[in-house]
Amino acid sequence: AQSVAQPEDQVNVAEGNPLTVKCTYSVSGNPYLFWYVQYPNRGLQFLLKYITGDNLVKGSYGFEAEFNKSQTSFHLKKPSALVSDSALYFCAVRDTFSGGYNKLIFGAGTRLAVHP
Amino acid sequence: NAGVTQTPKFQVLKTGQSMTLQCAQDMNHEYMYWYRQDPGMGLRLIHYSVGEGTTAKGEVPDGYNVSRLNKREFSLRLESAAPSQTSVYFCASNLVGSNQPQHFGDGTRLSIL
Repeated sequence: AQSVAQPEDQVNVAEGNPLTVKCTYSVSGNPYLFWYVQYPNRGLQFLLKYITGDNLVKGSYGFEAEFNKSQTSFHLKKPSALVSDSALYFCAVRDTFSGGYNKLIFGAGTRLAVHP
Repeated sequence: NAGVTQTPKFQVLKTGQSMTLQCAQDMNHEYMYWYRQDPGMGLRLIHYSVGEGTTAKGEVPDGYNVSRLNKREFSLRLESAAPSQTSVYFCASNLVGSNQPQHFGDGTRLSIL
């Protein structure tokens, strides 16, 4: 079955330190991978995607993600965390059997807490 | 530019009542989706639509009906609400294309007593 795993329920990091939010996936064929962020009482906001090409993808708000095919991972990273980065982060992969529309399979989410 | 707009933002229902959640997008997107978000479970797809007048079942469709009356609007109806349907409901849309990201509304928080 196709799936996404976010192994950490919560990640804590000090402001100014680098952060990593982990994601691994399992799909048939080439993966289309996405990261979204959710702030309290808001919908999900798109951060970045990997479709093909460079394994390091840059996105919004200084975030980037590294695609690793051999490890089937797509970890989200940022060199220097801000308190305002505190939010819920979702990794998602396109279901390769979804045909003509974009069915996304979401991970359970990782709560990022950045402490001053 | 409003993006994806959902109404209402909050609603409390009694078991057995019905209601319709509204969603409209102004981005000329073909594809629209309804999800529910429950703690620790990520988002689960309820129904989706690939164009006006077309709808299809997602992962958890039971107890829900949808209508895509035009390109902009995609509504979700609960005919007889149950406590298990207490959740946060999100509408999303995207352009045609398998690499297009979905754009989300801010959700409807629904409690069923």
